[in-house]
Amino acid sequence: KAGVTQTPRYLIKTRGQQVTLSCSPISGHRSVSWYQQTPGQGLQFLFEYFSETQRNKGNFPGRFSGRQFSNSRSEMNVSTLELGDSALYLCASSPSSGSQRYEQYFGPGTRLTVT
Amino acid sequence: DQQVKQNSPSLSVQEGRISILNCDYTNSMFDYFLWYKKYPAEGPTFLISISSIKDKNEDGRFTVFLNKSAKHLSLHIVPSQPGDSAVYFCAASVRTGANNLFFGTGTRLTVIP
Repeated sequence: KAGVTQTPRYLIKTRGQQVTLSCSPISGHRSVSWYQQTPGQGLQFLFEYFSETQRNKGNFPGRFSGRQFSNSRSEMNVSTLELGDSALYLCASSPSSGSQRYEQYFGPGTRLTVT
Repeated sequence: DQQVKQNSPSLSVQEGRISILNCDYTNSMFDYFLWYKKYPAEGPTFLISISSIKDKNEDGRFTVFLNKSAKHLSLHIVPSQPGDSAVYFCAASVRTGANNLFFGTGTRLTVIP
């Protein structure tokens, strides 16, 4: 099976702009989660989508939003970018049933730099 | 508040020896634990997991031990190989149906040839 894919891999944006990141989960996986990784805060959970519904949300401002499509692909949007949003954004997918349903499989990430 | 902690930022081990990476957690509701390995500019790669009903899980060279009373888990890699050099993250979750992993801050393992 192909792994989780994320596009783009690298992105440079200016403060105040908005950005959309895309994630395609492993085929058959219906749960998609997003994480932010920064040197200071480590890996932090942003939100999770399952069957096109946000099922769980981390402690991030409303500028961070997401959605999931019927084919389980997910997008994440950050509006009014701030310098502190510079980070590696990781997407992870997991199956909805079976022994692996509690395991998350990560994509390579999108490196966002805000200038 | 960091609910999952990896107190050793780095560890160096000779090739062929055992690597032991440690992780502590504070939330007694956590009932599923995972270890991930991460190379620079890549996403974390799932290594091994353990549920709270077990105290040990083994997969090849990797063994995870869980001590619930101490809220402590460890990853043993035997024998260590240079290709194991990476940052290792432990993660924990509550299996209520929502997928939300809480990660430790990572331990950089260097295996010296």
